Amino acid sequence: ETGVTQSPTHLIKTRGQQVTLRCSSQSGHNTVSWYQQALGQGPQFIFQYYREEENGRGNFPPRFSGLQFPNYSSELNVNALELDDSALYLCASSEGQGSGNTIYFGEGSWLTVV
Amino acid sequence: AQRVTQPEKLLSVFKGAPVELKCNYSYSGSPELFWYVQYSRQRLQLLLRHISRESIKGFTADLNKGETSFHLKKPFAQEEDSAMYYCALSVHNTDKLIFGTGTRLQVFP
Repeated sequence: ETGVTQSPTHLIKTRGQQVTLRCSSQSGHNTVSWYQQALGQGPQFIFQYYREEENGRGNFPPRFSGLQFPNYSSELNVNALELDDSALYLCASSEGQGSGNTIYFGEGSWLTVV
Repeated sequence: AQRVTQPEKLLSVFKGAPVELKCNYSYSGSPELFWYVQYSRQRLQLLLRHISRESIKGFTADLNKGETSFHLKKPFAQEEDSAMYYCALSVHNTDKLIFGTGTRLQVFP
């Protein structure tokens, strides 16, 4: 059984550019969530995908968007990057949507916007 | 508003000392709370959840609805407990989580 994997691990982008981050969920998991963790802060919920549909969104602007594919892998896209978007982006997967399901996190993608 | 507060950024203790990491929450409804831990160079992982009422690695946490708290406790800290600890609240009993800002626990030999 493989865990949650994310790519790339680190990247640097320029303000105004666009970025795509990728996540492969743990085997058998149909729910993927994305979190943003700024330095010194806890993870903040961006959105969740369940069976390819967006299923809840946090307080993030529309330039944060995502996709989930039939194999349940997922992408996070951020357009018009701002300096404050610099953070660790975490992907988490679970089997189903109930709070009783254990959520597994990836190691994250470090994004630096300059 | 739904919120999780961890008032201490850093907690330093010596090996064998008791540990209490504080967590307070704000939530309208019946909360479901978790503690997550991140050891150095490892990914964030679940430590325990309040509904399980279990002890993991010697840690326990009791939900106190009157004080809206979910403090994490261990009677005798070990050096391997050094890590970042996050308290989290489940939104409307889903798997969407609201995290606190975290407390770094340092256990000195």
